[in-house]
Amino acid sequence: DTAVSQTPKYLVTQMGNDKSIKCEQNLGHDTMYWYKQDSKKFLKIMFSYNNKELIINETVPNRFSPKSPDKAHLNLHINSLELGDSAVYFCASSPGAIDTQYFGPGTRLTVL
Amino acid sequence: SQQGEEDPQALSIQEGENATMNCSYKTSINNLQWYRQNSGRGLVHLILIRSNEREKHSGRLRVTLDTSKKSSSLLITASRAADTASYFCAPSGGYNKLIFGAGTRLAVHP
Repeated sequence: DTAVSQTPKYLVTQMGNDKSIKCEQNLGHDTMYWYKQDSKKFLKIMFSYNNKELIINETVPNRFSPKSPDKAHLNLHINSLELGDSAVYFCASSPGAIDTQYFGPGTRLTVL
Repeated sequence: SQQGEEDPQALSIQEGENATMNCSYKTSINNLQWYRQNSGRGLVHLILIRSNEREKHSGRLRVTLDTSKKSSSLLITASRAADTASYFCAPSGGYNKLIFGAGTRLAVHP
């Protein structure tokens, strides 16, 4: 049973396109996150939701919009993709706001 | 910010040897977490140590925390080739806004 799943695993697309990455957790956790890992392997938090409410919103271009239809899902929509958006995006969840985080397998986004 | 900074950046050892990685941070914390990332994979949680704990063990892993020095260490004993990965520390205070450093890349050679 996959605890935190992401789709798709790989995403290759042209500049200017709009794309979405989906994340689902079956752990019953209240808090979910999106991270971006760049080519230098730095992992940076982008957003965090607790019970469908946004609690962390780092300095991320407003082309990135998270959506949480319910507490088991946190999707990431990206408008007008740019070359610099190429990275691996990780979803994670945790029981509460200061607990261990469980990461998904990542989505490798390549913008051409 | 609560970014953890790992040291060394890279570590290369032989199977059976011990590996020690250090982490420093700058602000007060609720807990500090260590994660492992195998190449091309997501992060896997290893250990969470709370601010009122000084040492914690999990199998071959031993984590220490010195809040007075704002530092932590991760010791992997009797290392195996499968331990080859990047290791990240993540100090956590307030809402779980983990800020990861660049990690320590550990290579264990058979």
